[in-house]
Amino acid sequence: AQKITQTQPGMFVQEKEAVTLDCTYDTSDPSYGLFWYKQPSSGEMIFLIYQGSYDQQNATEGRYSLNFQKARKSANLVISASQLGDSAMYFCAMRAQAGTALIFGKGTTLSVSS
Amino acid sequence: DTEVTQTPKHLVMGMTNKKSLKCEQHMGHRAMYWYKQKAKKPPELMFVYSYEKLSINESVPSRFSPECPNSSLLNLHLHALQPEDSALYLCASSDIQGLGQPQHFGDGTRLSIL
Repeated sequence: AQKITQTQPGMFVQEKEAVTLDCTYDTSDPSYGLFWYKQPSSGEMIFLIYQGSYDQQNATEGRYSLNFQKARKSANLVISASQLGDSAMYFCAMRAQAGTALIFGKGTTLSVSS
Repeated sequence: DTEVTQTPKHLVMGMTNKKSLKCEQHMGHRAMYWYKQKAKKPPELMFVYSYEKLSINESVPSRFSPECPNSSLLNLHLHALQPEDSALYLCASSDIQGLGQPQHFGDGTRLSIL
């Protein structure tokens, strides 16, 4: 069985600072994919970044990077230079088989202040 | 703009009404999903369709009835809903090949049961 754990219900950061959102996972499958999504208060789920279990390098997409530590089973999202528009709920998710539904963590609410 | 279109955006219905939620995607994805999401909670998987066939039903009550008329469309028929069914209903689609295919979500339908 697969499980995603996000232990930070809420995080607070000031504009232009970096912030790390934690995610740990558990699976016995050797091959899996890890995803991060952003959900603003308006409700849409926005895909941010992906990391494959066999990827040698940490994924990056603009201001988003994924700190992937396979031995520790962690896939933390790092947002650099936070902006007010980054205030949202962030979900970590995974799948271990192609074509299957993502399994989501409980989410972390990020609040960015000026 | 999202590539998965859901209608309506908002729906208020009584417990005896029959209504349908619609979802459309034109990305050629062969997997489509329905999720239910309560406020400040992660999305809960309801149904998965693969190649237009129902592959997963997460023990959803029969008052929710999914339908996949073709590879681009996904419907969720609602009948005799309960107040606790009030939630955001999200549709998503993804390519079936490969672990790294993200799920693309629609903006959701906010459903209120009176």
